[in-house]
Amino acid sequence: DAGITQSPRHKVTETGTPVTLRCHQTENHRYMYWYRQDPGHGLRLIHYSYGVKDTDKGEVSDGYSVSRSKTEDFLLTLESATSSQTSVYFCASRGEDTEAFFGQGTRLTVV
Amino acid sequence: GEDVEQSLFLSVREGDSSVINCTYTDSSSTYLYWYKQEPGAGLQLLTYIFSNMDMKQDQRLTVLLNKKDKHLSLRIADTQTGDSAIYFCAESNPDYGQNFVFGPGTRLSVLP
Repeated sequence: DAGITQSPRHKVTETGTPVTLRCHQTENHRYMYWYRQDPGHGLRLIHYSYGVKDTDKGEVSDGYSVSRSKTEDFLLTLESATSSQTSVYFCASRGEDTEAFFGQGTRLTVV
Repeated sequence: GEDVEQSLFLSVREGDSSVINCTYTDSSSTYLYWYKQEPGAGLQLLTYIFSNMDMKQDQRLTVLLNKKDKHLSLRIADTQTGDSAIYFCAESNPDYGQNFVFGPGTRLSVLP
């Protein structure tokens, strides 16, 4: 498996609090992605990055921000968590001509 | 926007063939993928096909692409209980930094 890890794996947080999820890859992949997975929706893209400090919005970016200060790390921040952001979050990375490799997921519950 | 659709559930008997279908809307997709997700795990690539191919075979897996109808299928021969999982169809969208647009996933249940 490609070296991509997410932390934490599980988190419960209260409505209105900020939350940061971390994705770390050791493959020197250029592209990194954050998805959320919800029943019946598959994976929906939140934000993606095409290089250090280069990020852009995906399909469901409202309420989320990202940062990529190093090739290996891609952070997803929920500025003020809401119950609608309860989901499973997946990070992925890929090189120029490779498939996407996925992390194991982070289960986030907002109460 | 781009859309990928799949049926949500499929049940087959062990030893039978499974066929999971997918339709997509983006005719400019360059790659189409099948990913497998086991419970509590991330997604693992099963196979992919270039958009200029009609068929790809890889051991028990056969991928068929009908580009005219924008229809992709995954056939699993001799389905085993270990094949029980959610299968996601995805297309590569170059307008989104080589992003993947995923279908909702098909939950395959293999009955003994």
